[in-house]
Amino acid sequence: QVQLQQSGPGLVKPSQTLSLTCSVSDASISSGGYYWSWIRQYPGKGLEWIGYIYYSGSTYYNPSLKSRLTISLDTSKKQFSLKLGSVTAADTAIYYCARVNDYYDTTAYRTYPFFDYWGQGTLVTVSS
Amino acid sequence: DIQMTQSPSSLSASVGDRVTFRCRASQSISNYLNWYQQKPGKAPKLLIYAASNLQSGVPSRFSGSGSATGFTLTISSLQPEDFATYYCQQSYSTPYTFGQGTKLEIK
Repeated sequence: QVQLQQSGPGLVKPSQTLSLTCSVSDASISSGGYYWSWIRQYPGKGLEWIGYIYYSGSTYYNPSLKSRLTISLDTSKKQFSLKLGSVTAADTAIYYCARVNDYYDTTAYRTYPFFDYWGQGTLVTVSS
Repeated sequence: DIQMTQSPSSLSASVGDRVTFRCRASQSISNYLNWYQQKPGKAPKLLIYAASNLQSGVPSRFSGSGSATGFTLTISSLQPEDFATYYCQQSYSTPYTFGQGTKLEIK
């Protein structure tokens, strides 16, 4: 059973960098087949996709966060990480890591991504 | 970005009822649509992918349909454990986007 375990501080000061790590069990992050993603959920419940990384190191970021965002991979530790700089109160949210799996439709010749495993979530509050 | 709009925002129903959730995309997304269930204090759980495919381990009372801009999630006979919030999500293009959710409450 794939498990994603998050770690990192729950309180970050304004203008500082938010850093979270996701440790992956029972799945390889050093071979292809999956992307590894971060998603956040605001206190009002809205969900926002932050970005993802492939085993090759290729990254895809939400343009709304791109200038402040770094997602990285440490295959030796089976971890991927999120760094979000210059945070403000608007970055207060529950942050989730998730695996991006996909379904290949052999009749339509299309690949359909989805988030199939999620971490437990980390509430990050930005406050002085 | 593709906007996802869910209706209604909340829904009251009883155990045994048939319920339908709706999700509309701001542009055609073919069938690149996923549904998730979220219970308080927990991460979202995948129910349906590619509009109509049931995720492994999800009860068969859940079903999804639709294409292009209109989608539905149906629970054929509500069980007590189904009371939760349901989200749709498009994976047609990045940035992936979610609907605002429909909260299913006990009548």
